[in-house]
Amino acid sequence: GQQVMQIPQYQHVQEGEDFTTYCNSSTTLSNIQWYKQRPGGHPVFLIQLVKSGEVKKQKRLTFQFGEAKKNSSLHITATQTTDVGTYFCAGHRSNDYKLSFGAGTTVTVRA
Amino acid sequence: ETGVTQTPRHLVMGMTNKKSLKCEQHLGHNAMYWYKQSAKKPLELMFVYNFKEQTENNSVPSRFSPECPNSSHLFLHLHTLQPEDSALYLCASSPVIGGFEEKLFFGSGTQLSVL
Repeated sequence: GQQVMQIPQYQHVQEGEDFTTYCNSSTTLSNIQWYKQRPGGHPVFLIQLVKSGEVKKQKRLTFQFGEAKKNSSLHITATQTTDVGTYFCAGHRSNDYKLSFGAGTTVTVRA
Repeated sequence: ETGVTQTPRHLVMGMTNKKSLKCEQHLGHNAMYWYKQSAKKPLELMFVYNFKEQTENNSVPSRFSPECPNSSHLFLHLHTLQPEDSALYLCASSPVIGGFEEKLFFGSGTQLSVL
């Protein structure tokens, strides 16, 4: 079964509003990565978090790695139409060299 | 431009055809990957090559045959595919496999339709 779960699967946001998408693992992750795929495009690496409780910001995007290193969140403030796309999280589970991807959260924006 | 180039961008083939997908990376990376992306499904890892040696075959049917002649080039040979194989096939590269330095750089993908 899928090792990394993302919720919600779909996020419909009013332009200007904030939202958060979540990534949860059944096992401890050594790191968490986030990728963004625009409609018709390919996934693009955004950021990596490694430390427990780590928080990183990229302009209006805030990424957090949970204290137990089993979950992560992406918070977007003042959503813009350029934020449309699917956001994937991915991480290395302990003792597994393979990168496990979540199914993604697809974001649409209402102008 | 990510430094990973895939051709063709679009491919339509019949179930009896033989075709090949090509991927080339200009990033000096050591690892290359094939992923399958179907509508409303997670990214599915198909194959991984590290220093042109295959390290992962994720139970992929034999009608998909990868080839990695060197660390910069990766092919996916297709033969007698099924309609359910229609999907976006993504190539990716990474400096290394595993660990904190594994970060995937994806190509633009080949949108494959099997008729």
